[in-house]
Amino acid sequence: GAVVSQHPSRVICKSGTSVKIECRSLDFQATTMFWYRQFPKKSLMLMATSNEGSKATYEQGVEKDKFLINHASLTLSTLTVTSAHPEDSSFYICSARGGGDNQPQHFGDGTRLSIL
Amino acid sequence: AQSVTQLDSQVPVFEEAPVELRCNYSSSVSVYLFWYVQYPNQGLQLLLKYLSGSTLVKGINGFEAEFNKSQTSFHLRKPSVHISDTAEYFCAVGLYNFNKFYFGSGTKLNVKP
Repeated sequence: GAVVSQHPSRVICKSGTSVKIECRSLDFQATTMFWYRQFPKKSLMLMATSNEGSKATYEQGVEKDKFLINHASLTLSTLTVTSAHPEDSSFYICSARGGGDNQPQHFGDGTRLSIL
Repeated sequence: AQSVTQLDSQVPVFEEAPVELRCNYSSSVSVYLFWYVQYPNQGLQLLLKYLSGSTLVKGINGFEAEFNKSQTSFHLRKPSVHISDTAEYFCAVGLYNFNKFYFGSGTKLNVKP
């Protein structure tokens, strides 16, 4: 149980393109979804927290207009990197959580984004 | 303020040897504790969790961890490691009535033959 699917697993695109990443909870209802960015040899950096049906809460220093997050249903959240540039290249990972604050986060397999 | 410290960035160990990966945290409120494993180019997989009750928690792949409230630690252990355990391990802390997790900086376990 508690499977989270993240798609695509890898994206290579040109500078200026917008890229959408999907995160789905397959067998549970995710009241909260999280988006992380992971730099090489670094820990996870939380970008934003989203609750179904409401606006995402962004961490300090994360550009809201750059990283658009939508959590339209209890099983789907999307992250759109708008007008991507090479410095946006990174490994993006989503996680989903159902139930109360004692529930673990369940992670997707990540998306490797490479902007040329 | 909350923080999670994984003092060892890398731990080399020979196959079939025991291993301990250290995690210490600081928090002004009660916590939930988790260990995750990350294989290259993959997301994180939950190894085990401590919510309440017995302080010794057993997880998948033969790992276990012990919650020590007085030392604010949650060290991960395995009595005999395999090559396949080579990965990065993250300790995470969740807070009562709070949504976010705090992650440690990770420990790379390198199991040598």
